[in-house]
Amino acid sequence: GNSVTQMEGPVTLSEEAFLTINCTYTATGYPSLFWYVQYPGEGLQLLLKATKADDKGSNKGFEATYRKETTSFHLEKGSVQVSDSAVYFCALNRVSGNTPLVFGKGTRLSVIA
Amino acid sequence: EAQVTQNPRYLITVTGKKLTVTCSQNMNHEYMSWYRQDPGLGLRQIYYSMNVEVTDKGDVPEGYKVSRKEKRNFPLILESPSPNQTSLYFCASSPTGGGYTFGSGTRLTVV
Repeated sequence: GNSVTQMEGPVTLSEEAFLTINCTYTATGYPSLFWYVQYPGEGLQLLLKATKADDKGSNKGFEATYRKETTSFHLEKGSVQVSDSAVYFCALNRVSGNTPLVFGKGTRLSVIA
Repeated sequence: EAQVTQNPRYLITVTGKKLTVTCSQNMNHEYMSWYRQDPGLGLRQIYYSMNVEVTDKGDVPEGYKVSRKEKRNFPLILESPSPNQTSLYFCASSPTGGGYTFGSGTRLTVV
């Protein structure tokens, strides 16, 4: 079945450091891939998405590229801020058929000044 | 404003007392879903609905019921809550094939 594996946290970085959160997936067919972010005390918000191979999703300085050959969708940001401290979830679903969204377990990021 | 509204935000109840968590969306989305979030386990799907009168079990459906009588509403029902259902619950909706919009969450404590 479909599954998502993301690196375990917590991840602690200093402000302005480079961020990578790894995400790999297993799926039949060609899923859409997503990153969601959950700030403390809030629900999940869509951060970015990619719907086909080699697509790059980007938002708020974050980027992730859909790599079909490595079945990966790693999240990156060149310079993190304290306000980026949150839990990040990688997820997938299929474009057709609307199968349920499958989430990774989440990676907690803490950015210190 | 496009949104998913859950109520209540916080609920403390006793074992065995039936409760309903409501979820409503104003985006005319076909797809709705309930998740629970627990430390170390991430988000796990409870039930989902592809459209009105169409519901199906997710990964952890035991102890829960849902209904989808109207497109906008997808209530989660706990007929006889138990302490292991203490969790943070999220409702979400999406158009077919699209990304989800999540509600703000309901923190449930069963004592």
